[in-house]
Amino acid sequence: GENVEQHPSTLSVQEGDSAVIKCTYSDSASNYFPWYKQELGKGPQLIIDIRSNVGEKKDQRIAVTLNKTAKHFSLHITETQPEDSAVYFCAASIVGAGSYQLTFGKGTKLSVIP
Amino acid sequence: GAGVSQSPSNKVTEKGKDVELRCDPISGHTALYWYRQRLGQGLEFLIYFQGNSAPDKSGLPSDRFSAERTGESVSTLTIQRTQQEDSAVYLCASSLRTTSYNEQFFGPGTRLTVL
Repeated sequence: GENVEQHPSTLSVQEGDSAVIKCTYSDSASNYFPWYKQELGKGPQLIIDIRSNVGEKKDQRIAVTLNKTAKHFSLHITETQPEDSAVYFCAASIVGAGSYQLTFGKGTKLSVIP
Repeated sequence: GAGVSQSPSNKVTEKGKDVELRCDPISGHTALYWYRQRLGQGLEFLIYFQGNSAPDKSGLPSDRFSAERTGESVSTLTIQRTQQEDSAVYLCASSLRTTSYNEQFFGPGTRLTVL
């Protein structure tokens, strides 16, 4: 089955700096890669996703890149703000077959220091 | 509109007791998922329902775990004879399953503590 590795497990950045979180996946059939943000006591919330037919996607201060050959994808947050502090999860899924279940990485706790 | 809701938000039980967790998906969402999140860990897939199709139970960790869903509405996850290692947050998600998109919307979870 699919295995997703995520690094780093914790990340501290100064407000205004950039943050990068990296993930690798094992199943070359995976074609959908969402990123979720989880705040304390809440369920994960989708912040951005990318499908395997594109290499990069951007939405305001966040961007995701995908390298299918190397089977890795990354989340980039620019101009970080204190409200970006949360746990971020990457995930991989095969859309179009099976149950579409998400396989998650173990999460990155991001702390933005004012 | 209303999101995914789960109840109870917290459940404390004694080892050996049965527990039932409830999920109300977003109206119209045909797919429903249960995940387990242990402290400091990622989410582990447990079970998936899609319409009237047979559920995908491949993630259930033991036969003490079971889940039901009536049509495209409420789902319940039942854990029998709870063990301390069952302590976790149980998250439910729903989605409009299509062949091209699968955003899963998560509920706030039920925090289960087994003493």
